[in-house]
This record gives sequence, C-alpha cells and structure tokens, in this order.
Amino acid sequence: NAGVTQTPKFQVLKTGQSMTLQCAQDMNHEYMSWYRQDPGMGLRLIHYSVGAGITDQGEVPNGYNVSRSTTEDFPLRLLSAAPSQTSVYFCASSYGGRNSPLHFGNGTRLTVT
Amino acid sequence: KNEVEQSPQNLTAQEGEFITINCSYSVGISALHWLQQHPGGGIVSLFMLSSGKKKHGRLIATINIQEKHSSLHITASHPRDSAVYICAPLERNLIFGKGTKLSVKP
Repeated sequence: NAGVTQTPKFQVLKTGQSMTLQCAQDMNHEYMSWYRQDPGMGLRLIHYSVGAGITDQGEVPNGYNVSRSTTEDFPLRLLSAAPSQTSVYFCASSYGGRNSPLHFGNGTRLTVT
Repeated sequence: KNEVEQSPQNLTAQEGEFITINCSYSVGISALHWLQQHPGGGIVSLFMLSSGKKKHGRLIATINIQEKHSSLHITASHPRDSAVYICAPLERNLIFGKGTKLSVKP
C-alpha cells in the first residue's frame, strides 16, 4: 500500500519555466490538498479538492493551477515559476475531508533560480 | 496576524522527561490536528480531536474548545521523539502553527 506518492522529490527550475508536481494516492480518499512549507512559517494551503471534478483555492493559490480528473491524482501546476515559489511542497489526502486524519506525501523540494 | 501560537518554539529534554507542547488559537474551530514532522521532512498525523482527550501510546492530546487551547503531552520521552510537532486548528480550512522543535537527549 503506497499511500500518498509525490514526484519528483527534488526539482530545480529557471524563472519562467513551467512544471507539474505529481500527487497520487491509492486509498480512495475524496479529499486531497496541496501545501507549501517555507522557513519560519507554518504550512500554507495552496489548493484543495473534495472529489473528482471539484477544486477550490486555499490561502496562497496565485501562480498555481490544479485539476482533479480522477480520485487518485491531484497534480499541481506551476504556470511560470518565480523565485518566490522556492519551497517544499506537500500533498495530503484524507477519507473524510479536513475533519479526518491527513496522510501526507514525502514532499517535493523546489528551487527556482 | 498570528492565529495559531505554539509554545515553546524549541524544547530540549532529557530522555525519560515528561514533555508538554501548547497550542493557542484565536478563531472558532470545529477540530484540531496534531502532526509530527520527522527530521527527514516527512509529516505524520498524530491526533485529530474536537473535545476532551485522546491517547495513543505515550502521546496524549487534550483540547479545550472554549478556552481555545490544546496541549500535546509525551510521557517517558525518547530520542526517537525528536521532531517538529505542529498543531493545526480547523476553521474553514486548516491553519498551521509554526511548530515546536523537540530534541530529546539520551
């Protein structure tokens, strides 16, 4: 049972490049979410989804897009990378939404130069 | 604005000590999560509670919704408990504290 799988683990981008961070879960969880973690700050919610075809913005959505075409996958797209998007990104899922324990992926460390 | 305050920010303990980490928040919530972030970066959910107390092994979490306060206790601490502990009250979405870095020395 893989749980929540994030790829890649590390990525370096140049300013202006685009990329997709992948997140997949095999637990049939309806709720999935993306967070960024920056030094000295708590985790911040970027986007979330309560089921296939449904997405919503979190606290810091600007510069990021998401889609949820299947229950299993919730990719995060950086449209035009900026140095301010240098961060560690975590994907998480739960079976019952925010009122249920979250299962986190191992994170993606992104550096934008 | 600091909606979630954790104390202490850093904590060093000797193996076997009783540990308490506090979390105060300013918003109305329906539940609160406690998370553990390992030195390698992985994050694990420890508890989710909306009232009273929960216990799992040597870890105990309590919450007082009216006083907007939660505590995480670790009994008989061990070096493997060294990690960052994060509280996350649930308003419309989760609001994460900055974490308490715990180091337990043998």
